[in-house]
Parts: sequence; structure tokens; C-alpha cells
Amino acid sequence: EEQLVESGGGLVQPGGSLSLSCSVSGFTFRRHAMHWVRQAPGRGLEYVSGISSKGDSTFYAESVKDRFFISRDNSEDVLYLQLSSLKIEDSAVYYCVRGATGSGIWFDPRGQGVRVIVSS
Amino acid sequence: DVVMTQSPLSLAVTLGQPASISCRSSQSLVYEKDGKIYLNWFLQRPGQSPRRLIYMVSDRESEVPGRFSGSGSGSDFSLEISGVEPEDVGIYYCMQGTHWPFSFGQGTRLEIK
Repeated sequence: EEQLVESGGGLVQPGGSLSLSCSVSGFTFRRHAMHWVRQAPGRGLEYVSGISSKGDSTFYAESVKDRFFISRDNSEDVLYLQLSSLKIEDSAVYYCVRGATGSGIWFDPRGQGVRVIVSS
Repeated sequence: DVVMTQSPLSLAVTLGQPASISCRSSQSLVYEKDGKIYLNWFLQRPGQSPRRLIYMVSDRESEVPGRFSGSGSGSDFSLEISGVEPEDVGIYYCMQGTHWPFSFGQGTRLEIK
């Protein structure tokens, strides 16, 4: 069964950095684009970043460009998101999601995401 | 980035009645390389992760009830529910996958009247 497990969240001060990881199982990681999506408390879904299956193309929402860095390790089946120069508005639950048919994304139904709180 | 705009932002519907949600993109979602449109619809039920209902404008995910249908072209899309059921309550999001980075609409909250 497919599973995506995020880790690495926590409390960080504005301007600080954090590193998120997503370990996957149940599917062939190297064949799928991967993405990060976030949701601030009581707010909607916001696309954050995506990376191609080989890791040779990366994309970022304007709101995080030049501050966040997405990467992947296809030998270890892990997706990463490095967050830097964090702002209060980056506080959210971050979901690791798999690329899906028709240029879509798939959320793990059991996924809890990882909470990032940016506060002084 | 492509801006996705949904309307209405909230909707209260009597059980068994139809519902419709609109989604418009700031630019055409026709992918130049293959002419296809990569527009998805998601439902996030309270306390749950989002679940994709529709992809490529009108293709339903397996196990999605037939009362859900998607339509549209270019930059104008809609999700229709032919007769709302209690389990349809939640927030609906459109998401474009044509242009990287992908982008979501603001969400439409569906409630039962």
C-alpha cells in the first residue's frame, strides 16, 4: 500500500531554517514527480514546490521561490524540502504528495503532513 | 504563476439538489505540447486529506460516484454534482497541472442546507 510519511517539522523563529523529509513506500518512487503542498490553519491548499521524477527539473510557487529548495534521493526513496528565511506566513501543515495521472497529484489518505510553526 | 479563481466560495445545497462550482484560470490550461488540459478537482472532507475526484477536466477517479462531473475548456471550468449527498460536504478545490508550478483555487465550501 502506498504511503508517504513526512518528518522534520517544528517551531522555528522568523528568518530561521528547517528541513522536511518524506519517506515513501508502496510505489516506484523514481517514476513519479513529487510535490509539496501546504495548508495554513483554517486556510486553503497552497502548492509549494515540485520536482521531476529524475530530479532534473524543479518548480516553486512565487511565494517561496529563492527561499525553499526541493530535492530527492531516488536511491533512498526520500523527498526533501529545505526551508530558509522563514516567514510567519510559512506556518502551515506541509504535505508530501505524489504525482498522479493526468498531471495531477495524489495525497496519502492517511497522511498527516508535518506542521511548521514560524513564530518568535 | 497561474491564478485559479473559484466561485462561489461557499455553497449551501438541499440534499438531492444539484450543485455547481466554477473555476477560472488566468491563462489557458491547454498544454501546448499535446493540446490536453490538465485541470483537476479535489474534495477535502473535514479532518481529512484532500482526495482527487476529477482529472483532465472530466475524467473521474475510480470509485468516485457518477453524480460528480467536470466540464470546461480553455480557462473556464466547472464541477457539477447532480444530487448532493451528505458525504459531499467539504471543501472543493480546482488545481491546474498544465503549467509548472501547479496552482490551486481558493476552495469552495459545500454545506447542506
